[in-house]
Amino acid sequence: DTAVSQTPKYLVTQMGNDKSIKCEQNLGHDTMYWYKQDSKKFLKIMFSYNNKELIINETVPNRFSPKSPDKAHLNLHINSLELGDSAVYFCASSQVKGGPNNEQFFGPGTRLTVL
Amino acid sequence: SQQGEEDPQALSIQEGENATMNCSYKTSINNLQWYRQNSGRGLVHLILIRSNEREKHSGRLRVTLDTSKKSSSLLITASRAADTASYFCATDFNNDMRFGAGTRLTVKP
Repeated sequence: DTAVSQTPKYLVTQMGNDKSIKCEQNLGHDTMYWYKQDSKKFLKIMFSYNNKELIINETVPNRFSPKSPDKAHLNLHINSLELGDSAVYFCASSQVKGGPNNEQFFGPGTRLTVL
Repeated sequence: SQQGEEDPQALSIQEGENATMNCSYKTSINNLQWYRQNSGRGLVHLILIRSNEREKHSGRLRVTLDTSKKSSSLLITASRAADTASYFCATDFNNDMRFGAGTRLTVKP
């Protein structure tokens, strides 16, 4: 049983295109996240949603737009892709906000390559 | 913004040796967590230590936390080749979790 799943696993596209990455969790968690991991392996949070509401929005270009149709899904749409967007994008989820054990469960990642 | 900073950036040891990784942070925390990432995979949670705890054990893992120095360490005892991975510390404050850049551990058989 996959706890946090992402699709696609690999995404190769041209500059200027628009693409989406989907994330789903079957853990019943209320909070979901998107992270970007660059080539130096530094993991940076982009967005956090709690019960479909945006609670963290780091300094991310507005070409990136998260969408949460329900608390089990958090999709990431990227407009006008740029070379610098190439990275691995991870989705994660955690239990109710403020819980004592705020362990995050990560998806397998989506490797985005912009040519 | 980045919170935790791991040290060293890379560590190479022989199987059977102990591996120690350190993490320093700058602001308040509710808890600090350690994660492991195998190449090409997502992060996997290893252990959580709360801000009022000083030491925690889980199998071959031992984590310490010194809130006065804003630092934590992860010790892996009797390392195995399968422990080869990147290890990240993450600080959690009010459900806002921030990761460091990780320590790349290589355990040679």
